[in-house]
Amino acid sequence: QITLKESGPTLVKPTQTLTLTCTFSGFSLSTSGVGVGWIRQPPGKALEWLVLIYWDDDKRYSPSLKYRLTISKDTSKKQVVLTMTNMDPVDTGTYYCAYWNIEVAGALPSLWGQGTLVTVSA
Amino acid sequence: DIQMTQSPSTLSASIGDRVTITCRASQSISSRLAWYQLKPGKAPKLLISKTSSLESGVPSRFSGSGSGTEFTLTISSLQPDDFATYYCQQYNTYPLTFGGGTKVDIK
Repeated sequence: QITLKESGPTLVKPTQTLTLTCTFSGFSLSTSGVGVGWIRQPPGKALEWLVLIYWDDDKRYSPSLKYRLTISKDTSKKQVVLTMTNMDPVDTGTYYCAYWNIEVAGALPSLWGQGTLVTVSA
Repeated sequence: DIQMTQSPSTLSASIGDRVTITCRASQSISSRLAWYQLKPGKAPKLLISKTSSLESGVPSRFSGSGSGTEFTLTISSLQPDDFATYYCQQYNTYPLTFGGGTKVDIK
């Protein structure tokens, strides 16, 4: 059974760097086709895809945020870490990590964590 | 970027109603269209992939259709568990993009 769980601070100050960790189980991020990525949802707004890292370390970024995002993986710890620099109140929202398997389903997030709410405020 | 336009943004319906949600892409995405169900405090759930492929465990009252730029999600007979927000997503091209969402609430 595949599970993913997001962890990190619930409150960050403007201009700070956010670091979120996705800890997963039930799959290996060294398996061909597998990826883990991040999606967010501001309160009352739509979902927004942020970034994705694949088993071969290929990374895909949202063009609008690419200069603020970094994604990395630790296959042995079964974790993926997202950092987002220069946080602003508009970055407030629920951040989800999700599982991809391009060889099975294509480039879509097929399983998600429950999300973690991050508030940006002084 | 491919823009995904969903309509309506809100839909009020009764138990047993047939419900249809539309998603339009700004350019062709072939059949690479997925639908998700979101409920507060729960993990988003993938309902349909590749336009019309129902995920395992998803009730058969859900169905998807379309191709190219126009797609629909249909719930044939709305059940209490279906009151939620639904999103379409294209995965034909990076960046991956979502529609604006459709909230289905009780009439």
